[in-house]
Amino acid sequence: GENVEQHPSTLSVQEGDSAVIKCTYSDSASNYFPWYKQELGKRPQLIIDIRSNVGEKKDQRIAVTLNKTAKHFSLHITETQPEDSAVYFCAYGGFSGGYNKLIFGAGTRLAVHP
Amino acid sequence: EPEVTQTPSHQVTQMGQEVILRCVPISNHLYFYWYRQILGQKVEFLVSFYNNEISEKSEIFDDQFSVERPDGSNFTLKIRSTKLEDSAMYFCASSRGTGGQETQYFGPGTRLLVL
Repeated sequence: GENVEQHPSTLSVQEGDSAVIKCTYSDSASNYFPWYKQELGKRPQLIIDIRSNVGEKKDQRIAVTLNKTAKHFSLHITETQPEDSAVYFCAYGGFSGGYNKLIFGAGTRLAVHP
Repeated sequence: EPEVTQTPSHQVTQMGQEVILRCVPISNHLYFYWYRQILGQKVEFLVSFYNNEISEKSEIFDDQFSVERPDGSNFTLKIRSTKLEDSAMYFCASSRGTGGQETQYFGPGTRLLVL
């Protein structure tokens, strides 16, 4: 079925450390993998996305890697700052029978301590 | 920068009542969506809409739900007879192209509370 497993559910790091969140998806035909950040009471906001024709994408302190063979993708945040504290959701789309929707993971609550 | 907007921000209703949630997608976007998020849980897809018709819908989107684009700017979600379990944050989103492959931009949400 349409499912994406996201780990860990909570992550606590010290400011300056790196944080890694991993997701595993079910549909091998999927070709679009966005990551959203949601602060408390706010809308989900896209922070980075990757398409299946590349294996890695980086934007300043944020990077995403994709392993299509293993059907998993990861978010990497380096030099974490307190303002990175939020819930992060992975999602996937573009799969067979799902060209116009995103399936979201359960979320990772990241806490960055000064 | 253009944003998706939603009204109202909060809605409280009695069980069995009808509610209409409103959204104004980004003006040059062609695909529109509704998602919901029960408190503390993940974002769940409800429905996508393109070219004035439903493109895809989830199992959650049953006969009590309907969507409409009544004019050139608004996109609405109607819940005909609300249930307690409909209490959630409802997000509208829009994208320029196919939402499974293009960035979906989310609105600020409508928090619905059914009593």
